[in-house]
Amino acid sequence: AQTVTQSQPEMSVQEAETVTLSCTYDTSESDYYLFWYKQPPSRQMILVIRQEAYKQQNATENRFSVNFQKAAKSFSLKISDSQLGDAAMYFCAYRPIANSKLTFGKGITLSVRP
Amino acid sequence: GAGVSQSPSNKVTEKGKDVELRCDPISGHTALYWYRQSLGQGLEFLIYFQGNSAPDKSGLPSDRFSAERTGGSVSTLTIQRTQQEDSAVYLCASSLEPASSYEQYFGPGTRLTVT
Repeated sequence: AQTVTQSQPEMSVQEAETVTLSCTYDTSESDYYLFWYKQPPSRQMILVIRQEAYKQQNATENRFSVNFQKAAKSFSLKISDSQLGDAAMYFCAYRPIANSKLTFGKGITLSVRP
Repeated sequence: GAGVSQSPSNKVTEKGKDVELRCDPISGHTALYWYRQSLGQGLEFLIYFQGNSAPDKSGLPSDRFSAERTGGSVSTLTIQRTQQEDSAVYLCASSLEPASSYEQYFGPGTRLTVT
């Protein structure tokens, strides 16, 4: 069975600084997708960034980028130039190519200090 | 365009009562998913629909939980004889197609409290 582990329950970052959120996963599949979702207090999950496992290049979306290490089964999210609006819960998620089911980590609460 | 909507936003019910939670997916999305978010268990997959059929019900925690989807659109998650451990946020998501690269779009969830 696939598992996703986010070992840090909370992190804090100063506004305008950079923060990295960690995620590891376990799977026997060779092809899959990895995601980072943001959940603000409104509860609505918002996709931040997606990585296809067959792509070696790390995904980037504006201030958000990932460090995908397939052999190590590691998928960390880097947020640059942190903004107050980045404060939220962040979930790492895994989905096999041939399956629709997302498996989530327990999440990490990110706070941003002004 | 309109996103995924869920109703009610919050529901408080007494132990033993039945509840129905509704999800309206994005128009044209053939795949619909239910997840449960609880303090102890994190986010768990419950069930997914392709059209009106449910190829994967593996996450439903007990036979008190059921879901249906009609007209390839609205879905209802029903919990019978609610228990306190059913208290959680129930999230619905939809995507253009299942098992593809298409993103799952989430609704705001229904917070269920069983007293």
